[in-house]
Amino acid sequence: ELKVEQNPLFLSMQEGKNYTIYCNYSTTSDRLYWYRQDPGKSLESLFVLLSNGAVKQEGRLMASLDTKARLSTLHITAAVHDLSATYFCAVDINWSGGGADGLTFGKGTHLIIQP
Amino acid sequence: DVKVTQSSRYLVKRTGEKVFLECVQDMDHENMFWYRQDPGLGLRLIYFSYDVKMKEKGDIPEGYSVSREKKERFSLILESASTNQTSMYLCASGQVGVSGEGGYTFGSGTRLTVV
Repeated sequence: ELKVEQNPLFLSMQEGKNYTIYCNYSTTSDRLYWYRQDPGKSLESLFVLLSNGAVKQEGRLMASLDTKARLSTLHITAAVHDLSATYFCAVDINWSGGGADGLTFGKGTHLIIQP
Repeated sequence: DVKVTQSSRYLVKRTGEKVFLECVQDMDHENMFWYRQDPGLGLRLIYFSYDVKMKEKGDIPEGYSVSREKKERFSLILESASTNQTSMYLCASGQVGVSGEGGYTFGSGTRLTVV
């Protein structure tokens, strides 16, 4: 059974600081997603990481994937209040089958960025 | 952009009622999914479908069934609603190509309360 673990589950930080959210998973996969969710809203896709060593950046967020270590990171640089949200990682272990089996999610990291 | 529409944003139902949650996607995707989201538990897969009239159990199918009579529509059915089915329900649609392109899009969610 695939397990996906995120840490920390809760993070309060100040604006301007840097921090990293970690996502470990238990089964070999080379396809990992990061989503953002605002309170009461649905999930917004941030990044899709497709291979070992993949790195993607969008604004103050950067995601990376190490398939050998079964680890992905989401790094926040110089945080701003607008990045406050819950962030989920999700693993797709059967994407070569056309994406038919869906995603397994971590429990999410609730991020609060204080002015 | 792919659009996934869930027919109800909020629902309140009584224990024992039969409840239908509807989801429609407009991108001709083969794969559709139903998740429930609970605080501290993340998203958990209930059922998914990779073709019309096809369905597969996810991680937590007990108490639920699904229907997919048309490619664009995937319905989640609570045969006899119970209070422990109070949750946020998210529908998703997606497809992954042979090179790993593609992904998943989520609907805006239905917050169901069973009283």
